[in-house]
Amino acid sequence: GDSVTQMEGPVTLSEEAFLTINCTYTATGYPSLFWYVQYPGEGLQLLLKATKADDKGSNKGFEATYRKETTSFHLEKGSVQVSDSAVYFCALSSPNQAGTALIFGKGTTLSVSS
Amino acid sequence: KAGVTQTPRYLIKTRGQQVTLSCSPISGHRSVSWYQQTPGQGLQFLFEYFSETQRNKGNFPGRFSGRQFSNSRSEMNVSTLELGDSALYLCASSLGAGRHQETQYFGPGTRLLVL
Repeated sequence: GDSVTQMEGPVTLSEEAFLTINCTYTATGYPSLFWYVQYPGEGLQLLLKATKADDKGSNKGFEATYRKETTSFHLEKGSVQVSDSAVYFCALSSPNQAGTALIFGKGTTLSVSS
Repeated sequence: KAGVTQTPRYLIKTRGQQVTLSCSPISGHRSVSWYQQTPGQGLQFLFEYFSETQRNKGNFPGRFSGRQFSNSRSEMNVSTLELGDSALYLCASSLGAGRHQETQYFGPGTRLLVL
């Protein structure tokens, strides 16, 4: 079945460092891909998404490109801030289902220190 | 526009009891989905409702059920609670066209502790 694999955390960075969180997926067809972020004690917030191959999603300095050839959707940010400390989830929604159910990766915890 | 709201935010129950959680979607959204989040299993899809009908269902036992009302509000019920049902239960809403490109917007969750 469909699945999402994320790099294991935690990821610990200093402020202004470059961030990459790897995400690869297994799916039939062309799923939509999402990155969600979860701050302590809160629900999930959409960070960005891409719905077809070669699309680039971007938001708040974060970017991710839908790579069909490598089945990847890596999250990047050029300069992280302390406020970016959170758990990041990669997810997909398959076109082969009824509805919009999301399949999530295990999450990657990011900790940024000043 | 108000976001997705969930009530209650916290619950403590004992094994064998049942519990009902409530979710109000963003105004205009007609689809509501439920997810369970645990440290061991991560985020898992429970079910999705649209127009008062279950549109999709995850791999959970029949003790987990849900429903949707005509105003799109949704409830989920867990009967005969087990210790392993302790989790954060997240509700998400979307416009409801059922296309995989749709964004789901999440509420803050209900944290359930089963003793």
